[in-house]
Amino acid sequence: AQSVAQPEDQVNVAEGNPLTVKCTYSVSGNPYLFWYVQYPNRGLQFLLKYITGDNLVKGSYGFEAEFNKSQTSFHLKKPSALVSDSALYFCAVSSPLILTGGGNKLTFGTGTQLKVEL
Amino acid sequence: SQTIHQWPATLVQPVGSPLSLECTVEGTSNPNLYWYRQAAGRGLQLLFYSVGIGQISSEVPQNLSASRPQDRQFILSSKKLLLSDSGFYLCAWRGYLGSTEAFFGQGTRLTVV
Repeated sequence: AQSVAQPEDQVNVAEGNPLTVKCTYSVSGNPYLFWYVQYPNRGLQFLLKYITGDNLVKGSYGFEAEFNKSQTSFHLKKPSALVSDSALYFCAVSSPLILTGGGNKLTFGTGTQLKVEL
Repeated sequence: SQTIHQWPATLVQPVGSPLSLECTVEGTSNPNLYWYRQAAGRGLQLLFYSVGIGQISSEVPQNLSASRPQDRQFILSSKKLLLSDSGFYLCAWRGYLGSTEAFFGQGTRLTVV
């Protein structure tokens, strides 16, 4: 079974400082990894994904994530945080279709609340 | 371009009443469709997913069911709601390949009273 762990319920950071939101995963075979952001009472918005290739993936709004296969991690990062980045962030994992027997399950972590303060 | 519609945005239902939430996708064919529930603004619990018409996979035994009567329509139902069914329900679609990202509807806030 595939799973995602986000060990921090909340991350606090001062505006202008770098931020990191942690994610580790467990999946059969090579993982497909995703980050999403959610604002209050809204659906999730896609930020970035890792499929293959360069371990550092760049996405929307200045976010990036680093895939580390040996540590089974996919941490979300941003060099300089903004107050407007405050939101709930989700990491998700999926598997290559051939390994899922035709299914296509997308599994999310429990989310990390990011709070950026002035 | 592809769009996903989910309605209603909010719903207040009495215990024991039926439920029907609908989700439709436009601009794509043969999408994979998902229903998630989010309790207390936190983690997403996968309820059902579907890879084709009439094909439903259930993740958690519960008081809910799902159906896919058409390629781009996904319905979440209950015959009798429980208080514990309250939550934020999200519909999502993604392409056939596991490497594609999912796109979410705006969600339905269900309160069972």
